[in-house]
Amino acid sequence: SQQGEEDPQALSIQEGENATMNCSYKTSINNLQWYRQNSGRGLVHLILIRSNEREKHSGRLRVTLDTSKKSSSLLITASRAADTASYFCAGGGGGSYIPTFGRGTSLIVHP
Amino acid sequence: DVKVTQSSRYLVKRTGEKVFLECVQDMDHENMFWYRQDPGLGLRLIYFSYDVKMKEKGDIPEGYSVSREKKERFSLILESASTNQTSMYLCASSRQGADTGELFFGEGSRLTVL
Repeated sequence: SQQGEEDPQALSIQEGENATMNCSYKTSINNLQWYRQNSGRGLVHLILIRSNEREKHSGRLRVTLDTSKKSSSLLITASRAADTASYFCAGGGGGSYIPTFGRGTSLIVHP
Repeated sequence: DVKVTQSSRYLVKRTGEKVFLECVQDMDHENMFWYRQDPGLGLRLIYFSYDVKMKEKGDIPEGYSVSREKKERFSLILESASTNQTSMYLCASSRQGADTGELFFGEGSRLTVL
């Protein structure tokens, strides 16, 4: 399995501020994926970064990956109240890989 | 629009009852997964399946079984529900052969066992 572990467990910020979440994993991966979960709902795929990439952007999201440290970070710029959710990472690969998740980071953005 | 559908969003059952949680995906995915999610513990993998009639134990299979008779459907079975199985259950699917392994999740089934 490709376990992800997120840090911090909880993050509380004001609207307009940036939010940074970190992820550590244990084994080699082909890619690292971030997911978002609104309260009481399923997870939704946000962004994927491949093992040969160091940084990737998508809208207000910026993801970095450091394979030497087995870590990744997710930055949400100019946060909005609607970004309030839990965020999870999971190491991934092709074929029949088994994705496992950590406890997630609970982000609260105050209006 | 791709979709993973879990049959029940909310269920209330009594201790000892047999419980079926159904999951259907319309993306022709080979891989399907069942997780449970509890506060402070994150998502934990119960069972997964790579193909029809195939099943593999995840990290916490005790007290659960699964069935995959058709490619699109993956059922989680609690043979005799207990109060410690009160939880949010999440089904997911992914494509084999893809180089991403992106998971598609259902909306979840919140089970309460009294």
